[in-house]
Amino acid sequence: DSGVTQTPKHLITATGQRVTLRCSPRSEDLSVYWYQQSLDQGLQFLIHYYNGEERAKGNILERFSAQQFPDLHSELNLSSLELGDSALYFCASSSRTSGVRNEQFFGPGTRLTVL
Amino acid sequence: GIQVEQSPPDLILQEGANSTLRCNFSDSVNNLQWFHQNPWGQLINLFYIPSGTKQNGRLSATTVATERYSLLYISSSQTTDSGVYFCAVVDYGGSQGNLIFGKGTKLSVKP
Repeated sequence: DSGVTQTPKHLITATGQRVTLRCSPRSEDLSVYWYQQSLDQGLQFLIHYYNGEERAKGNILERFSAQQFPDLHSELNLSSLELGDSALYFCASSSRTSGVRNEQFFGPGTRLTVL
Repeated sequence: GIQVEQSPPDLILQEGANSTLRCNFSDSVNNLQWFHQNPWGQLINLFYIPSGTKQNGRLSATTVATERYSLLYISSSQTTDSGVYFCAVVDYGGSQGNLIFGKGTKLSVKP
């Protein structure tokens, strides 16, 4: 158990809908990263938050947004869903210090299926 | 951006065999991690190893940062070792530490 939790584990929805994925980082970790794993694109970085502030964006669509709350949990919002958004979404957290030399620990993922 | 290449893409072993998985990266890195993705999709941390050698039970890893590669050794493989092994790096010029993943090595261990 990595200590990172994600809910829900599975999500099935229809095209055009909006969903929210939730992540709670390890205790006292300030950084949260979101990644998407799809069959054709592999594992790709979406967005990074540190202590409530957005720090970096990767291949995140404009239809997707995220935030990190004062209690450090994070939510990833996906709207106007398309079939191609079906994927496994992971969040990862890393230690208190900002920076690049920190091991990341991954949650169990949310499997999103868009029908 | 930095490229991460893993080989081989697929590997089939008999239980008890040893194996070596390789990860090549195209530029200097700040961080390198090895993960095992089990059949249920969970990503399990194996090693945080930007340089040097580490061992954990039947698994060990070596990163030679100056030559831009890392190796993961699995000894006496078991069926529970099956899954996909990913190497991921943070490039030296990377902005905020996001991991860049290779495409993985899919390992199947037969009883």
